Amino acid sequence: QVQLVESGGGVVQPGGSLRLSCATSGFTLRNFGMHWVRQAPGKGLEWVAFIRYDAKNEYYADSVRGRFTISRDDSKNTLYLQMNNLRAEDTAVYYCAKDQSSWTYSYMDVWGKGTTVTVSS
Amino acid sequence: DVVMTQSPLSLPVTPGEPASMSCRSRQSLLHSNGYNYLNWYLQKPGQSPQLLIYLGSNRASGVPDRFSGSGSGTEFTLKISRVEAEDVGVYYCMQSLQTPSFGQGTKLEIK
Repeated sequence: QVQLVESGGGVVQPGGSLRLSCATSGFTLRNFGMHWVRQAPGKGLEWVAFIRYDAKNEYYADSVRGRFTISRDDSKNTLYLQMNNLRAEDTAVYYCAKDQSSWTYSYMDVWGKGTTVTVSS
Repeated sequence: DVVMTQSPLSLPVTPGEPASMSCRSRQSLLHSNGYNYLNWYLQKPGQSPQLLIYLGSNRASGVPDRFSGSGSGTEFTLKISRVEAEDVGVYYCMQSLQTPSFGQGTKLEIK
């Protein structure tokens, strides 16, 4: 079955970096666009980033642009989120999600269980 | 950014009774291809979100037919014909016509 498994979360100091991974299985990753979505404690969902199936375009929320980088390695069936210059407000559960489309936003039809990032001194 | 507004924020419902919630967008979500790029998700307690309705009115695979989505342009509605205990959680609408954005969520609870 289609599965997404996030990893790489943890506790990091403000200004630090983390790289999240999302291992995929049950579908051909190279055919689909992929997202990262986050949820701060007790808050709603916030879209973070999207990467096209061919990695030719990436899109970011204003809150993370210039600090976060989404990437993919289809040979490893893995999606990544490199997070630099982390701030307290980046504390959240980070979900990876598969889009139904390959090249643009459509709808996220599969979600992982999430990995928790805590930014604190 | 496209701002999404959901109402009500809290929805207490008696099991077996219907429920309805609203999602409004400041901009039309109707694409030139005829689809409304409005999707509904349910996040059950302690779980990740799951897709309920996509492109305005299409039920996702495995979603019971008591769930239905309707609307066009800037106003959308999610209806549950007969609420069951397993339906508790937070319902989010999300637009994907532009960079995706979510509503604040409607928390459905059982009376």
